Amino acid sequence: DAGVIQSPRHEVTEMGQEVTLRCKPISGHNSLFWYRQTMMRGLELLIYFNNNVPIDDSGMPEDRFSAKMPNASFSTLKIQPSEPRDSAVYFCASSSESNEQFFGPGTRLTVL
Amino acid sequence: RKEVEQDPGPFNVPEGATVAFNCTYSNSASQSFFWYRQDCRKEPKLLMSVYSSGNEDGRFTAQLNRASQYISLLIRDSKLSDSATYLCVVPDYQYGNKLVFGAGTILRVKS
Repeated sequence: DAGVIQSPRHEVTEMGQEVTLRCKPISGHNSLFWYRQTMMRGLELLIYFNNNVPIDDSGMPEDRFSAKMPNASFSTLKIQPSEPRDSAVYFCASSSESNEQFFGPGTRLTVL
Repeated sequence: RKEVEQDPGPFNVPEGATVAFNCTYSNSASQSFFWYRQDCRKEPKLLMSVYSSGNEDGRFTAQLNRASQYISLLIRDSKLSDSATYLCVVPDYQYGNKLVFGAGTILRVKS
């Protein structure tokens, strides 16, 4: 099994640009989670989907952030426009019924 | 009170030492708990699950005290490779299988 796949692994962009992060969950998993991790705030849940439906998006910082899951094997997290304070590592994770979440390798985002 | 609280450390210990971390949680209805390990610049990975009073896996022992609402992780005979951040995790049953992560405890094992 390939595990959770995220792309890109690194992204450097300028303030104001649109950023799109991608995630492919483990096949057969029905829940998908987007997290953001910084030194100051630790690991924060942004949004999670169950069976492709957004269940809890209370962690999404503001309207500049949006997430979609058009099918069971793909999700995107978009930031438009990006700001320097969005610089962080963004993790995608997936799980089945067991509650154990499997994390992808993360996308390290730097907004200049 | 935060949902999950951990001592951030760092804990600096010599090889072979025994070290213990504690974690407190606020949701008294929680039934299962987890310890995740995160290496520097890597993703978190599940270390142990705790469903009853405790769980043991080799050098690692996790214990649960429901009355006091705390979970502990004990590492015996520490190895250099145990150096990592240990995250205490509690499910949030308001939203299915959403997990709440503590801020993590840093462990540094030195030779």
